[in-house]
Amino acid sequence: AQTVTQSQPEMSVQEAETVTLSCTYDTSESDYYLFWYKQPPSRQMILVIRQEAYKQQNATENRFSVNFQKAAKSFSLKISDSQLGDAAMYFCAYRSGTQGGSEKLVFGKGTKLTVNP
Amino acid sequence: EAQVTQNPRYLITVTGKKLTVTCSQNMNHEYMSWYRQDPGLGLRQIYYSMNVEVTDKGDVPEGYKVSRKEKRNFPLILESPSPNQTSLYFCASRFLSPIGSEQYFGPGTRLTVT
Repeated sequence: AQTVTQSQPEMSVQEAETVTLSCTYDTSESDYYLFWYKQPPSRQMILVIRQEAYKQQNATENRFSVNFQKAAKSFSLKISDSQLGDAAMYFCAYRSGTQGGSEKLVFGKGTKLTVNP
Repeated sequence: EAQVTQNPRYLITVTGKKLTVTCSQNMNHEYMSWYRQDPGLGLRQIYYSMNVEVTDKGDVPEGYKVSRKEKRNFPLILESPSPNQTSLYFCASRFLSPIGSEQYFGPGTRLTVT
């Protein structure tokens, strides 16, 4: 079974600085998808960024980028120019690329990010 | 507006009193799923459905039932709720193809069972 590990329960960053959140995963599959979700105090799950395992290029969405290391099974999220609105719980998630299964997202336990003014 | 809706958003109930949490999506998604979120555990899948009348258990199905009589609706049923089902519940949906399609989450339902 696939597992996702977020080793940092909490992180903090100064406004306008850069922070990196770590995520590692364990799988025997070669085809899969990785995601970072943001959960602000409203509890809504918001997709931040996604990465297809077959793509070597790291995904980027404005101030958010990932460092995808397939061989190391690592998928870290970098937030540049941190803003107060980035404060939230961040979840790393994995989904198999193999059809016919539960299609579920496997989530890590989350990293709580605090942004200090 | 494309969205997944859940009702109620907040519910406090007592042990043993049957309840239903509704989930509806307006995007014609085939796939729908229920997750529960507990502190320190992340989100875990309860049940999922690939299409109308096709449902299956996820990782933590005990104490829950679902049905999928219409494509847009996927209610979660707790026949006899217990305190260990106190949690934050999310419904999610997406197209099955392409396989990498985005999953949309509902706003969550905070359930407390006393």
